[in-house]
Amino acid sequence: GENVEQHPSTLSVQEGDSAVIKCTYSDSASNYFPWYKQELGKGPQLIIDIRSNVGEKKDQRIAVTLNKTAKHFSLHITETQPEDSAVYFCAASTGFNKFYFGSGTKLNVKP
Amino acid sequence: DAGVIQSPRHEVTEMGQEVTLRCKPISGHNSLFWYRQTMMRGLELLIYFNNNVPIDDSGMPEDRFSAKMPNASFSTLKIQPSEPRDSAVYFCASGGQGAAVFGTQYFGPGTRLTVL
Repeated sequence: GENVEQHPSTLSVQEGDSAVIKCTYSDSASNYFPWYKQELGKGPQLIIDIRSNVGEKKDQRIAVTLNKTAKHFSLHITETQPEDSAVYFCAASTGFNKFYFGSGTKLNVKP
Repeated sequence: DAGVIQSPRHEVTEMGQEVTLRCKPISGHNSLFWYRQTMMRGLELLIYFNNNVPIDDSGMPEDRFSAKMPNASFSTLKIQPSEPRDSAVYFCASGGQGAAVFGTQYFGPGTRLTVL
């Protein structure tokens, strides 16, 4: 089955700096890559996603890039704010609704 | 929309007792997923349904775990008997696409289960 690896496991940045989280996947058939943000005591919330026919997608301060050849995708957060502090998960899906999640990155934005 | 609704939010029980977790998916969604989250194993998919039919239960850890979806607006995850190693946060998620088409999943707030 699919194997998704996520790095780093923890990331600490100064407010206003950028943060980058990277994921790799193993199954070249994977064609959908969502990113989730999980705040303490809450369920994961979808923040952005990308499909395999697109190389990059942006939504305000958040962007995701996909390199199908290298089988990796990344989350970029610019101008980080303290409220961006949370655990972020990447996932990959080959279809049929089954998601394979990365192990998570704990982002700490220092004021 | 109220989002995915789970109950209870917290459950504390003693080893050997039966535990039932409940989920109401987003109206109109036809896929439902049960996940378990622990520090050691992260997010694990236990089972998922499409159109109320279980499609993949390969993540269900043991026969002590069972899940049902009697209709499009309700699902249960049951553990009988419960064990301390079942302590985790259990999430329900729902999605709007059918089995052959991938779709976004929306998560509920989770049920924190503690088995003493």
